[in-house]
Amino acid sequence: NAGVTQTPKFQVLKTGQSMTLQCAQDMNHNSMYWYRQDPGMGLRLIYYSASEGTTDKGEVPNGYNVSRLNKREFSLRLESAAPSQTSVYFCASSEKGTAGGHYGYTFGSGTRLTVV
Amino acid sequence: QQQVKQSPQSLIVQKGGISIINCAYENTAFDYFPWYQQFPGKGPALLIAIRPDVSEKKEGRFTISFNKSAKQFSLHIMDSQPGDSATYFCAATYFSGTYKYIFGTGTRLKVLA
Repeated sequence: NAGVTQTPKFQVLKTGQSMTLQCAQDMNHNSMYWYRQDPGMGLRLIYYSASEGTTDKGEVPNGYNVSRLNKREFSLRLESAAPSQTSVYFCASSEKGTAGGHYGYTFGSGTRLTVV
Repeated sequence: QQQVKQSPQSLIVQKGGISIINCAYENTAFDYFPWYQQFPGKGPALLIAIRPDVSEKKEGRFTISFNKSAKQFSLHIMDSQPGDSATYFCAATYFSGTYKYIFGTGTRLKVLA
């Protein structure tokens, strides 16, 4: 099915370990995003990539790095995981409409990460 | 100024009733107001959206009411069904190189059969 694919779906890390969350979209969207979702706090933007070759910090970037590998793929890396990074991580993509409008985000199904 | 305040945090409605979720914002630069629906274990999915130049948008049982002067918008779910039980997020967005969203904190809706 067309859309945004995230891997892995679940992960348990020990404090200090590193890992990379993978995201790929097949809708030819220019923009991609990483969000984290925590109870009572909604979705908060970690990093985004407006187009291939660019990345920028969002609201909560500390402890994370990203790579826009190509137009399809946008990965999120935790260099030294901390318990505060226990969360559900969502990747999303979007495109500007031909008339300048916006069709909304398409989200992946998420990665549930637990850091112990 | 970048916040979107959403209420209530949770909502229980009888089948066939009307569910109403409210959001308020401060930043007048927002130019697109979507609502997302999220089922457990899934990512949010775009439900319905409105631009600030209209006061209401209806799609099936879902309606957005928008009050630009009050900087408020709400989602109404008519004839609520158990299948509508989900978490709903309002959002406000603006364009700055790309579309940036500010999400509300979510409303967990439960529709009783």
